[in-house]
Amino acid sequence: KAGVTQTPRYLIKTRGQQVTLSCSPISGHRSVSWYQQTPGQGLQFLFEYFSETQRNKGNFPGRFSGRQFSNSRSEMNVSTLELGDSALYLCASSFTREIDGYTFGSGTRLTVV
Amino acid sequence: DAKTTQPNSMESNEEEPVHLPCNHSTISGTDYIHWYRQLPSQGPEYVIHGLTSNVNNRMASLAIAEDRKSSTLILHRATLRDAAVYYCILLNTGNQFYFGTGTSLTVIP
Repeated sequence: KAGVTQTPRYLIKTRGQQVTLSCSPISGHRSVSWYQQTPGQGLQFLFEYFSETQRNKGNFPGRFSGRQFSNSRSEMNVSTLELGDSALYLCASSFTREIDGYTFGSGTRLTVV
Repeated sequence: DAKTTQPNSMESNEEEPVHLPCNHSTISGTDYIHWYRQLPSQGPEYVIHGLTSNVNNRMASLAIAEDRKSSTLILHRATLRDAAVYYCILLNTGNQFYFGTGTSLTVIP
């Protein structure tokens, strides 16, 4: 079956711009979560959505937001980009996370210049 | 947040067993212990998980201490493809997910 698909794979944006990243989960998975990975901070949790509702949120500023659609696809948006937002953004989906675990996508590499 | 502690790095010779430790002294009764690994330029990959009993699958074994405050991921015969960063995390229905820094495993040919 198809895995978790993230688009685009690579993105270059300018400071001050905004960006939207997309994640298509595995069919049947209703939980989608997002992570930011940087060399200095490692993997950091952004937020999790389940059935179109945000279930958990990490410690990121309000510039980072997300949403989930009725087909479980999810988007995350970052407004007013800063250089420090350059990172690999990972999406993961799950059916029942504590029992089944997560399947991760390959990520979107965002570079802010 | 439920947190875990792992060694920063470990080395193993190819085709020898590897034991990757994880401490989670603040684990709660409903936390599942999950292990993931991440190869360079890829997203993390699920390895194994358990609650109280030891678990085996085709990739690895998970040994959970009786008090559940620690666990060990066992790779029975390390191969070069097992070189990755291994993360031990705790999951339940309510917590935020803390990956920690993981253990970088180097496999020596």
